[in-house]
Amino acid sequence: NAGVTQTPKFRVLKTGQSMTLLCAQDMNHEYMYWYRQDPGMGLRLIHYSVGEGTTAKGEVPDGYNVSRLKKQNFLLGLESAAPSQTSVYFCASSNRKHPEYFGPGTRLLVL
Amino acid sequence: DQQVKQNSPSLSVQEGRISILNCDYTNSMFDYFLWYKKYPAEGPTFLISISSIKDKNEDGRFTVFLNKSAKHLSLHIVPSQPGDSAVYFCAASAPNTGNQFYFGTGTSLTVIP
Repeated sequence: NAGVTQTPKFRVLKTGQSMTLLCAQDMNHEYMYWYRQDPGMGLRLIHYSVGEGTTAKGEVPDGYNVSRLKKQNFLLGLESAAPSQTSVYFCASSNRKHPEYFGPGTRLLVL
Repeated sequence: DQQVKQNSPSLSVQEGRISILNCDYTNSMFDYFLWYKKYPAEGPTFLISISSIKDKNEDGRFTVFLNKSAKHLSLHIVPSQPGDSAVYFCAASAPNTGNQFYFGTGTSLTVIP
């Protein structure tokens, strides 16, 4: 039982490049979330999913896209990375109303 | 505009004493509140929640108090242990907003042995 895993752990991108962050959970959770954490700020919700095939916008969705084709995976895509997207990204999953289990995070640096 | 505020960036407490972490919110529609703990280089860990129909919820050494009129909640840790040293985040949500939770900026707790 690995819980919530995130791939990759760290990535450096150049402005304009694209990438996909992968979140996987093995707890059969319905809800999955993508957050970003920036210095001096709390976690901010980017997108979330309430079940396979569903996605919804969070607080800061611009510049990101997501997909939940399989229940256990939630992908976060950056089509054209910008320096403002330099952050630590956390994925979470839950069967409760709130995010319960978080992954270890992905550090993204956009130059 | 920060709807959930943790005005104390850091707090130091002696082992065995009580730790009190505070959180204020501005949105009177918030009805569900959470506390998380985060160690460096790890994701947050859910600690405890409280609904607005209650004013107190306990789980072992952790108790959360909610004062709706003051729009204030607090997390009490008794007794504090060195392993409690971490950053603590509060979060809140309003009804009919999906799964949107708003997080505070965190308070770094250091428990001194």
